[in-house]
Amino acid sequence: GQNIDQPTEMTATEGAIVQINCTYQTSGFNGLFWYQQHAGEAPTFLSYNVLDGLEEKGRFSSFLSRSKGYSYLLLKELQMKDSASYLCAVRDSNYQLIWGAGTKLIIKP
Amino acid sequence: GAVVSQHPSWVICKSGTSVKIECRSLDFQATTMFWYRQFPKQSLMLMATSNEGSKATYEQGVEKDKFLINHASLTLSTLTVTSAHPEDSSFYICSASVRATEAFFGQGTRLTVV
Repeated sequence: GQNIDQPTEMTATEGAIVQINCTYQTSGFNGLFWYQQHAGEAPTFLSYNVLDGLEEKGRFSSFLSRSKGYSYLLLKELQMKDSASYLCAVRDSNYQLIWGAGTKLIIKP
Repeated sequence: GAVVSQHPSWVICKSGTSVKIECRSLDFQATTMFWYRQFPKQSLMLMATSNEGSKATYEQGVEKDKFLINHASLTLSTLTVTSAHPEDSSFYICSASVRATEAFFGQGTRLTVV
């Protein structure tokens, strides 16, 4: 079966750095996405990786290793507004998006 | 980025009635749109893939007669929840892709059936 694993919840301190991991086992791979979702709102797109390596976009970076079935989202200089759920999703060989359950990130002052 | 507009944002309806949710791509043409539902503290669950001009493709376990999807144009897809029951109360979200590298979501619709 297809499976995406990410931690259920993480806590970090304002101004610090946090890394949210995602491991996947899917039938084929056509890209990995990270989304941010605030409570009661729809997800918003953060990043897309299809090749191995690190993609940096401001305070957020995303890393992919296809051979390991592994990705992480790195958030720097954490702000209170970064408190949200972070969803990892993989597009499989049928171009279907397979979603992880999300990681709830709690930022403390 | 591309804009996907979903309406209404929230709706309360009586059990047994039907509710229509609209999803529009405002600045691009979307041949394919996706409909998801999300229960509290759970991930997105794909309900169906909506293709312009053809029948929607439903995921296993999703009742096509209950969740009617119409993709009448390249910018509009609708989801109608027919004969709604309290267990249909959920957060419904549509999305569309401009290109393979991104997927954009509507604002979501919170449906409460009383």
